[in-house]
Amino acid sequence: DTGVSQNPRHKITKRGQNVTFRCDPISEHNRLYWYRQTLGQGPEFLTYFQNEAQLEKSRLLSDRFSAERPKGSFSTLEIQRTEQGDSAMYLCASSLVRLTADTQYFGPGTRLTVL
Amino acid sequence: AQKITQTQPGMFVQEKEAVTLDCTYDTSDPSYGLFWYKQPSSGEMIFLIYQGSYDQQNATEGRYSLNFQKARKSANLVISASQLGDSAMYFCAMSYSGGGADGLTFGKGTHLIIQP
Repeated sequence: DTGVSQNPRHKITKRGQNVTFRCDPISEHNRLYWYRQTLGQGPEFLTYFQNEAQLEKSRLLSDRFSAERPKGSFSTLEIQRTEQGDSAMYLCASSLVRLTADTQYFGPGTRLTVL
Repeated sequence: AQKITQTQPGMFVQEKEAVTLDCTYDTSDPSYGLFWYKQPSSGEMIFLIYQGSYDQQNATEGRYSLNFQKARKSANLVISASQLGDSAMYFCAMSYSGGGADGLTFGKGTHLIIQP
């Protein structure tokens, strides 16, 4: 399978714990995006990378959220001191940036439940 | 700021009928892209179709077509000959191609149910 993969698919944690999610993009894609989707809403953009550079992070929800893409391949999204309001689906997408269309392909998501 | 509006929270359609899902957008940027994604109950977002703001012709992909009316700022998705497997959430989204944040802005979605 050469699509975007995310691990774990489900995560249940207690309030106050730290969690980390991993995303592996489509291999030739140079851009990687993170989104959050809460129940009944469309995905909400959080941050993105072009290769290893994080080009936009002002949309991260708080300073408890951070993302890395150290070698320009896979990426991790970490949430520190989780709160119940962090419960959501976290989606990763990747794209191959061109001059025009920049279609993002999504992974299956990680569903986070904070107890 | 960009905004996507999908005014149909849910739709019921008979199998084999054509379906139109509405999407209007608001942006002051001249360069942008419009996308439609399908999200089945499994949760994965599936790319369906793309329309660039400068494209002269409406985009088509198999049974999907995008009715792009730039002056009205609308980008409706048309599904021809609907199938039971088309039942899902459908999201309209916009990208900003002018630099800065390149994430997609999504609407709230339309829940489409195809009835046999």
